[in-house]
Amino acid sequence: QQQVKQSPQSLIVQKGGISIINCAYENTAFDYFPWYQQFPGKGPALLIAIRPDVSEKKEGRFTISFNKSAKQFSLHIMDSQPGDSATYFCAASMGETSGSRLTFGEGTQLTVNP
Amino acid sequence: DGGITQSPKYLFRKEGQNVTLSCEQNLNHDAMYWYRQDPGQGLRLIYYSQIVNDFQKGDIAEGYSVSREKKESFPLTVTSAQKNPTAFYLCASRRQGRVGELFFGEGSRLTVL
Repeated sequence: QQQVKQSPQSLIVQKGGISIINCAYENTAFDYFPWYQQFPGKGPALLIAIRPDVSEKKEGRFTISFNKSAKQFSLHIMDSQPGDSATYFCAASMGETSGSRLTFGEGTQLTVNP
Repeated sequence: DGGITQSPKYLFRKEGQNVTLSCEQNLNHDAMYWYRQDPGQGLRLIYYSQIVNDFQKGDIAEGYSVSREKKESFPLTVTSAQKNPTAFYLCASRRQGRVGELFFGEGSRLTVL
């Protein structure tokens, strides 16, 4: 059962544009929502994360928007740069007692053209 | 430098053979995880361990086995029972209390010939 659905599968943006990736989840027990960035041949790295009691979190050019009632969250990359070209995964986690297991979305391959 | 080391980076195996992927971390993290990555399917959890000598099955544990004899090490064995073993395998660790914040290794790509 896919518990975190991510879209789009791929995204092409011009340099300076805004990249938007969307995720939806089903399990209301999730209480932590991170985004990971992965470059080819490397492991994913934590980019930014949010808890459900906050509607928005911003770190530099990266912003997470969170809609608890809709069970949706999204990543916005402002002023997208060619160096942002990577695969992005949203994820959802339950607490420590559940082993902090992360359930990942399917991934979005972002290409930022110069 | 602290980090997670996975080896080998590339591995080829014949059908019917077991293979063990190594994962070592010097971050002093308590929890360790194994994920499998296939194109278009995201990362799927195979096994995880929160303390030494204890581990739990993830969503796709069939055909895999693990051990956690030391805090630093969490090897994964891909057995001949795994029907589609060709994949990119990722090991990760996490500090206790840092929910959802995984540190990943650079992965091991297994190809079954």
